[in-house]
Amino acid sequence: SQQGEEDPQALSIQEGENATMNCSYKTSINNLQWYRQNSGRGLVHLILIRSNEREKHSGRLRVTLDTSKKSSSLLITASRAADTASYFCATDALNDYKLSFGAGTTVTVRA
Amino acid sequence: DAGVIQSPRHEVTEMGQEVTLRCKPISGHDYLFWYRQTMMRGLELLIYFNNNVPIDDSGMPEDRFSAKMPNASFSTLKIQPSEPRDSAVYFCASSSQGGSTEAFFGQGTRLTVV
Repeated sequence: SQQGEEDPQALSIQEGENATMNCSYKTSINNLQWYRQNSGRGLVHLILIRSNEREKHSGRLRVTLDTSKKSSSLLITASRAADTASYFCATDALNDYKLSFGAGTTVTVRA
Repeated sequence: DAGVIQSPRHEVTEMGQEVTLRCKPISGHDYLFWYRQTMMRGLELLIYFNNNVPIDDSGMPEDRFSAKMPNASFSTLKIQPSEPRDSAVYFCASSSQGGSTEAFFGQGTRLTVV
């Protein structure tokens, strides 16, 4: 079964608005990563947050991690049409090097 | 580096035929992952290698699936015999330290079994 589950499954917003999506996972982790996938393409890494970190920023992206709740959130600020894509969280469990992905959130940014 | 290279990009085959998907990871990456993506099941990890050795193949759906990594620069995923339910996009990814570092994905192979 998948380690991470994203919420919501789909999100539609207006250009300029913020988009927030959440990821919950089941077992203790070393790291959590977020990836983006444009239609018909491979996944592209966005940001990695380690289990001892609580928040991380990269450009318009902000990621939080709450290990007590086994959850993470990805915030995209001032969204653009080019942000239209599917977003996935991925985790590697303790004592394990494999990278497991959630089901993803499909984000549509309307111009 | 050109990134992770997968071939072919598209494959259409008839049920019962053997299919071989190929992957060239990024030079210097010790980990290689094979994933399958479908609408119904999302992105599933099939198998991963560390230093050319298969570490976890628990995601391989059936004995019809096999994967090899004969050297650090090449891996194959073979399906024999193929079935319509194997139709999916297959991704290869590589990383330097497993899930502890960024994984780089290839463009995927879209497999259609008719």
